[in-house]
Amino acid sequence: QKEVEQNSGPLSVPEGAIASLNCTYSDRGSQSFFWYRQYSGKSPELIMSIYSNGDKEDGRFTAQLNKASQYVSLLIRDSQPSDSATYLCAVMTSSGGSNYKLTFGKGTLLTVNP
Amino acid sequence: GAVVSQHPSRVICKSGTSVKIECRSLDFQATTMFWYRQFPKQSLMLMATSNEGSKATYEQGVEKDKFLINHASLTLSTLTVTSAHPEDSSFYICSAIIEGYYNEQFFGPGTRLTVL
Repeated sequence: QKEVEQNSGPLSVPEGAIASLNCTYSDRGSQSFFWYRQYSGKSPELIMSIYSNGDKEDGRFTAQLNKASQYVSLLIRDSQPSDSATYLCAVMTSSGGSNYKLTFGKGTLLTVNP
Repeated sequence: GAVVSQHPSRVICKSGTSVKIECRSLDFQATTMFWYRQFPKQSLMLMATSNEGSKATYEQGVEKDKFLINHASLTLSTLTVTSAHPEDSSFYICSAIIEGYYNEQFFGPGTRLTVL
């Protein structure tokens, strides 16, 4: 079974610090990787996607991908209280033929303390 | 970004009744939509993949006769929970893909179902 594992939380950081979220996946053939943010009681919101090895930066967010290690991470710089949420790592995996589906990790709850 | 809507946002029903949830892509056509379920403090679990004009593909353990999916147009998929029971109470979320856009999924706001 194709799995996505995230570091267990909760993760608590002070305001202004860097929050580091990690994720590993089991399907070596995966090509697309995503980070979603989910506030309590709300649906997930896509914040980063990454498809090739290396870093991808978007504002205060940096996603890192290492396909050899089957590892994806998300760094949040200058963390703000509004970043407090559950962060879901998602990996696009093949479900047979030309069909693909997203497999989600269990999520890491991040709390940014003022 | 792409907008996906869901209706209703919240529904409370009696045990044994059927509930229909609509998922619409507002500014794009979606040949493929997905239905997820999320229980409290758990991650999203894919229930089924909905393909326009064809039968849905259900994940293992999901009863296709209980969770009826219809994807009649390129902008609308519906999920009907038939004969709902309290254990079906959950947060149901749909998503849609923009074909060719690296298959990024855009999620609707979700429907919270409470079965009494």
